[in-house]
Amino acid sequence: DAGVIQSPRHEVTEMGQEVTLRCKPISGHNSLFWYRQTMMRGLELLIYFNNNVPIDDSGMPEDRFSAKMPNASFSTLKIQPSEPRDSAVYFCASSLAELNTEAFFGQGTRLTVV
Amino acid sequence: KQEVTQIPAALSVPEGENLVLNCSFTDSAIYNLQWFRQDPGKGLTSLLLIQSSQREQTSGRLNASLDKSSGRSTLYIAASQPGDSATYLCAVGDSSGSRLTFGEGTQLTVNP
Repeated sequence: DAGVIQSPRHEVTEMGQEVTLRCKPISGHNSLFWYRQTMMRGLELLIYFNNNVPIDDSGMPEDRFSAKMPNASFSTLKIQPSEPRDSAVYFCASSLAELNTEAFFGQGTRLTVV
Repeated sequence: KQEVTQIPAALSVPEGENLVLNCSFTDSAIYNLQWFRQDPGKGLTSLLLIQSSQREQTSGRLNASLDKSSGRSTLYIAASQPGDSATYLCAVGDSSGSRLTFGEGTQLTVNP
């Protein structure tokens, strides 16, 4: 397996634009997580899905953020409209919840909002 | 709310030295604990996963211990190498095992 795949790797956008980040989890994993990493706050969980269903979105900072998981092999994190303070590295991770296995992370998307 | 603290924030050692990284957490009702490595500009690489019922896990030169009752974990790195230079993150899994709460990390530099 190629691991968790995220795209794009880098994104630079202007304030107010819509940004969509994409994630393909490891095949067979049924839990998917979106994290955000900044220098000030470290790694924060934004939302996680279990069997494609959002379980906890309490970490989503504002209504400008939304996440979907239409099927077991794909998830998106959307920011609309984007703001400079959204600049961060966004990570997607997946795991197999029932077997309490380790979480595997993608390479991340570095988002810069100017 | 679970809080995870890692000490020290940064560590610089000469090559060949054995070292210990510390992680503490406030809520002992954890499901598991995972140690990760992060290289600059890269994603996180899982190093070791310890279930709540386990006391330690070993992988090569790495050994992680868990003392749930005292809310502590350590990562022991034997015979450190320059290639071990990275940020090491401790993450605690909650009762469902799904939510990971991360520490701030320890930035390790191993000097040749």
